[in-house]
Amino acid sequence: AQTVTQSQPEMSVQEAETVTLSCTYDTSESDYYLFWYKQPPSRQMILVIRQEAYKQQNATENRFSVNFQKAAKSFSLKISDSQLGDAAMYFCAYQRTQGGSEKLVFGKGMKLTVNP
Amino acid sequence: SAVISQKPSRDICQRGTSLTIQCQVDSQVTMMFWYRQQPGQSLTLIATANQGSEATYESGFVIDKFPISRPNLTFSTLTVSNMSPEDSSIYLCSVSSAAGYIFEQYFGPGTRLTVT
Repeated sequence: AQTVTQSQPEMSVQEAETVTLSCTYDTSESDYYLFWYKQPPSRQMILVIRQEAYKQQNATENRFSVNFQKAAKSFSLKISDSQLGDAAMYFCAYQRTQGGSEKLVFGKGMKLTVNP
Repeated sequence: SAVISQKPSRDICQRGTSLTIQCQVDSQVTMMFWYRQQPGQSLTLIATANQGSEATYESGFVIDKFPISRPNLTFSTLTVSNMSPEDSSIYLCSVSSAAGYIFEQYFGPGTRLTVT
């Protein structure tokens, strides 16, 4: 079974600074998808960014980018120019591409605090 | 991305009673998912609901406790039966939406359930 690990339960960053959230996963499959979700206090889960395992190029979405290291099974999220609205729980998630199952396996999450 | 609504947004229930949570999507989707998020925890998949077939439950979740209906392609319900305080959680529905060749999941705002 696939597992997703987020080893840092909490982090903080100063507004306008850069922060990196770490995530590792375990799988025997070669093709899969990885996602970062954000959950602010409103509890709405928001998709931040996705990465296809077969792509070597790291995904980027505005101030959000990932560092995908397939051999190391590492998938970190970098937030540049942090804003107060970035404060939230961040979840890393894994999704299989085989077997018709699109379910997500989530890590435990990490609470990000942004200090003004 | 799909717009998803859930009712109720929150409820406080007595132990031994049941609560039905509704999930409505603004477009037709094939797969819908129900997750549980216990206080301070990550998301755990309860079941996958496809229209026209029985829901598929994950290990540790049974139909008698969490019956699910999926009468059409835009609607689903999750019932939490014979509730106990351990059922106090946020319950989220999500839908799978194709983004090219990837199926991304989008989440509803969640239902916060407190069982006393």
